[in-house]
Amino acid sequence: GNSVTQMEGPVTLSEEAFLTINCTYTATGYPSLFWYVQYPGEGLQLLLKATKADDKGSNKGFEATYRKETTSFHLEKGSVQVSDSAVYFCALTTGGTSYGKLTFGQGTILTVHP
Amino acid sequence: NAGVTQTPKFQVLKTGQSMTLQCAQDMNHNSMYWYRQDPGMGLRLIYYSASEGTTDKGEVPNGYNVSRLNKREFSLRLESAAPSQTSVYFCASIVTSSEQYFGPGTRLTVT
Repeated sequence: GNSVTQMEGPVTLSEEAFLTINCTYTATGYPSLFWYVQYPGEGLQLLLKATKADDKGSNKGFEATYRKETTSFHLEKGSVQVSDSAVYFCALTTGGTSYGKLTFGQGTILTVHP
Repeated sequence: NAGVTQTPKFQVLKTGQSMTLQCAQDMNHNSMYWYRQDPGMGLRLIYYSASEGTTDKGEVPNGYNVSRLNKREFSLRLESAAPSQTSVYFCASIVTSSEQYFGPGTRLTVT
């Protein structure tokens, strides 16, 4: 079956620090990979995605590259802001009739201090 | 355009009580999903509906039933609530190979 493993949290950083949140996966077939963000009290929003190997997804200064050889999709940002404080979820789907059936990692809580 | 809406936002039930969580989307999406979110476990799929008139089990369907009432609405029913069903429930919808849109969630506590 499919599974997603995220780095243990929570992560606490100072403003302007570099962020990495690790994500590795196992999947049958060729998955599409996603990062979702959940701000306090809200639902999940898509942050970025990549649909094939070596694709780089990017949005709002965040980036992640689909690495098939290491089955990874690590999230990075060069300079975090207080407003980036949220829970970040790595997820995958394996397409076809299963598209939309997301498998999520456990989530990583990020807190950014001024 | 409200996106995905869920009612209620909060609910407290006693063990054995029943309730229905409502979800509606106004984006003309074909597929709809119910997830539950528990601390340290991410989101897990309960049931989904690939299109109007169809429903299928996800990863954790036990204790739940669903109804795809029409293209807009997808409800989740707990027939006899148990404390293990204390969770935050999210509804989501999707068109085809694009992002899922999530509702704001329903926080359910079963005592």
